Amino acid sequence: SQELEQSPQSLIVQEGKNLTINCTSSKTLYGLYWYKQKYGEGLIFLMMLQKGGEEKSHEKITAKLDEKKQQSSLHITASQPSHAGIYLCGADAGSNYKLTFGKGTLLTVNP
Amino acid sequence: NAGVMQNPRHLVRRRGQEARLRCSPMKGHSHVYWYRQLPEEGLKFMVYLQKENIIDESGMPKERFSAEFPKEGPSILRIQQVVRGDSAAYFCASSTRMSAGVHEQYFGPGTRLTVT
Repeated sequence: SQELEQSPQSLIVQEGKNLTINCTSSKTLYGLYWYKQKYGEGLIFLMMLQKGGEEKSHEKITAKLDEKKQQSSLHITASQPSHAGIYLCGADAGSNYKLTFGKGTLLTVNP
Repeated sequence: NAGVMQNPRHLVRRRGQEARLRCSPMKGHSHVYWYRQLPEEGLKFMVYLQKENIIDESGMPKERFSAEFPKEGPSILRIQQVVRGDSAAYFCASSTRMSAGVHEQYFGPGTRLTVT
C-alpha cells in the first residue's frame, strides 16, 4: 500500500520567514493533494498536482510535484500567523478517489 | 455556496450505544467519502458512496460500521455498539462527477466522537 512521509513533523518559524514542507511517497503519485487543517476543524483544500514537474501557486503558497512523481514540496513565502496550522499531503495511488494521507506537519508562526 | 456540512460536530456516546454521523455534500456533488482520523494517526479512507450505492468500503471495519447515501437526504455513517477505540474524528468529503483522474475532494468540519 502507498505510504506518505511528511517532513518535518513540526516547524516553528518567525513571521516573515520562508519555509518548505516535503511529502515523499513510496509509490508513484497519480494525484497529490495539499490540505490545511486547523486544530478541531476540517481540511481546507489548497492545491492538487497531477503532472510530473507541475507547479501551482496560490497567494504566498507554492506547491511542486517532482518529475518522477514521488515527491512534492509546499513552500510558503513571507509566512504570516494566518498560515499556522497542520499541513497534510494526500495522494491517490491510481484509484481516482481513495486518498492516503501523511501524518501532517504542524506549522507555528510566531509574530 | 455552502460547503460540506456534517453534524453533529461533537458526539458523546457510552460504550454499547449507537452513533449516527451525518454528512450533506456540497451542492452539485454526488460522490461522498468518509475518512477517520484516530489520535496520533493520519486520516484513513473508510468508504466511498454515490447516491444509493456503496462503491468501495474496503476501509470500513468489518463489524459494527455501516454507511449509506440515500436518494434523498444526507449520507449516514452508523456505528453500532461503540467501543472506546471508536473515539476519533470522522470526516466526510464530497466531489463532483469524476472525469479521468480529476476529483478534488472537499472536506467537512468533521464529527468528533468520544466514547466514554
